[in-house]
Amino acid sequence: QKEVEQDPGPLSVPEGAIVSLNCTYSNSAFQYFMWYRQYSRKGPELLMYTYSSGNKEDGRFTAQVDKSSKYISLFIRDSQPSDSATYLCAMSATGGSYIPTFGRGTSLIVHP
Amino acid sequence: GAVVSQHPSRVICKSGTSVKIECRSLDFQATTMFWYRQFPKQSLMLMATSNEGSKATYEQGVEKDKFLINHASLTLSTLTVTSAHPEDSSFYICSARDMGTDTQYFGPGTRLTVL
Repeated sequence: QKEVEQDPGPLSVPEGAIVSLNCTYSNSAFQYFMWYRQYSRKGPELLMYTYSSGNKEDGRFTAQVDKSSKYISLFIRDSQPSDSATYLCAMSATGGSYIPTFGRGTSLIVHP
Repeated sequence: GAVVSQHPSRVICKSGTSVKIECRSLDFQATTMFWYRQFPKQSLMLMATSNEGSKATYEQGVEKDKFLINHASLTLSTLTVTSAHPEDSSFYICSARDMGTDTQYFGPGTRLTVL
């Protein structure tokens, strides 16, 4: 079992839909959770990060962490074609050398 | 947000030559930089962790003599792919850890094609 599991998709939704992207993990030491967006042939861009369980909102994006279930989600409201990209979750244990473990990414396609 | 640059963005070279890729943090200092490799539709594979002023730490299975890393300053790390072969063709991405915010920022990546 990989430390971080993420469905590669692709996930295809119509414009305006609410998108739910998810990752599960097995390492209970993970305390720091991140979501990155990666457009084709570009480097990943940090979207959101959180240290704790619960929800964190930033504009149309909401990150949710459930440590008891080892499950994290990224919700995108009012999705736009420009949101079409690969979304990678990443997580790490606090302290130490801070090397995150990445999921393989979910490809999202938002069609007009 | 913080900016990390990579140069070149794309390079095509002949088999047997060496290629150097630069990674710079433009508006913050980074004692730690990371080098990743990414194959199409695959996740990021950490190759090595680069620490300013000391030797890089390589992940298992990554040849340190083939992938030379130098972290000469708090804003610059370089990856040199020595004696490149077609199987080294990939997308190489660096990231830098912002000491102030403890957040990792990625460069735009370098696509290497070895003929």
